Amino acid sequence: KQEVTQIPAALSVPEGENLVLNCSFTDSAIYNLQWFRQDPGKGLTSLLLIQSSQREQTSGRLNASLDKSSGRSTLYIAASQPGDSATYLCAVRGNDRGSTLGRLYFGRGTQLTVWP
Amino acid sequence: DVKVTQSSRYLVKRTGEKVFLECVQDMDHENMFWYRQDPGLGLRLIYFSYDVKMKEKGDIPEGYSVSREKKERFSLILESASTNQTSMYLCASSLLLWDRDSTMSYTFGSGTRLTVV
Repeated sequence: KQEVTQIPAALSVPEGENLVLNCSFTDSAIYNLQWFRQDPGKGLTSLLLIQSSQREQTSGRLNASLDKSSGRSTLYIAASQPGDSATYLCAVRGNDRGSTLGRLYFGRGTQLTVWP
Repeated sequence: DVKVTQSSRYLVKRTGEKVFLECVQDMDHENMFWYRQDPGLGLRLIYFSYDVKMKEKGDIPEGYSVSREKKERFSLILESASTNQTSMYLCASSLLLWDRDSTMSYTFGSGTRLTVV
């Protein structure tokens, strides 16, 4: 069964820092990997999606990379701002046929605090 | 933009009650999912459906059932609510899973915070 791990579990940084969130997964047979943001008490907002054939995706100050063979992804946030404070979740979409085809496997998230 | 709407943001129910959580999506997505989220445990898949009247068990289906009578609506049912079902419940939808080249991403609702007393 796919296992997704996110490190660190929590991160607190001053405004302006560049930071890296890590995600690792045990089964490299994936369709894609998706990074989500979750604000307290709210649902999940999709940030970036990387197909298994891609190496990275960028959106504004966010850059996500994928190394499928080693089972790793990183989310890079440039010039962090207090508004970036949230929990960031990594999820991989399984490549298994059958009844679980396409389901997402989630990490437990990195809780980010950016202070002014 | 696709929207996934969960009918209630907060619910308080009594132990033993039958509880219905409703989820509606407006982009003709085939797949719909129900997750629960608990501190320290992350998101866990309860049930999912890839077509009308089709359903598949996730990792923690015990104590729950689902209904998909129409493509846009996926209901989660707690047959007899218990205090250990107090949680945040999240609904999601996505396009079909079968296309290997799909750029499909999941869209989540805002969540329903259920408290069982």
